[in-house]
Amino acid sequence: AQKITQTQPGMFVQEKEAVTLDCTYDTSDPSYGLFWYKQPSSGEMIFLIYQGSYDQQNATEGRYSLNFQKARKSANLVISASQLGDSAMYFCAMREVSQGNAGNNRKLIWGLGTSLAVNP
Amino acid sequence: NAGVTQTPKFRILKIGQSMTLQCTQDMNHNYMYWYRQDPGMGLKLIYYSVGAGITDKGEVPNGYNVSRSTTEDFPLRLELAAPSQTSVYFCASSSLQGAKSEQYFGPGTRLTVT
Repeated sequence: AQKITQTQPGMFVQEKEAVTLDCTYDTSDPSYGLFWYKQPSSGEMIFLIYQGSYDQQNATEGRYSLNFQKARKSANLVISASQLGDSAMYFCAMREVSQGNAGNNRKLIWGLGTSLAVNP
Repeated sequence: NAGVTQTPKFRILKIGQSMTLQCTQDMNHNYMYWYRQDPGMGLKLIYYSVGAGITDKGEVPNGYNVSRSTTEDFPLRLELAAPSQTSVYFCASSSLQGAKSEQYFGPGTRLTVT
């Protein structure tokens, strides 16, 4: 079963406007973490923002903020004042802790991504 | 700091050939990971390691092998390459410490099997 769902394959936004990228997740573990990564056309994966399941406040990092709605199991990324350099793929991921060869192992489960294009 | 480095950046293999993708991190991270990313898709975990000498399978381990003899290095071995292994391969690492422990990624290796 897919655990991370990003329902927007592609999004467009006008430069300087705000945009919200959706992410919903499914887990029965009370302790989890949610991550957003950016992948520009050059291909590298860039960490943007993190939200822990027990964090009381929504995470913010500069122009990035996370709209975390725990009861709805959603962790939407909000980018304010979009810039041309924000054009990229954006991936939502959830940290899963599982039993492995040496106790608890931390792995990320990834969504399929949203392609964001910022128009001048 | 170099962070996570991967070599080579690009490689073309013939069907049935073998190769090793190299990955090195200089952040003293315990966790290391290998992912593949197929066109238009997210990342799929191939193998991961929680420390030197300890590895475990991810979602798509078939056709690959790994070893972790040191904290720094986590090579991925492809035996008998197949066209289905054409993909971009990312290595990543993360710290054991802290709730966040985000993964740091290498630049990727673009592999084509023909």
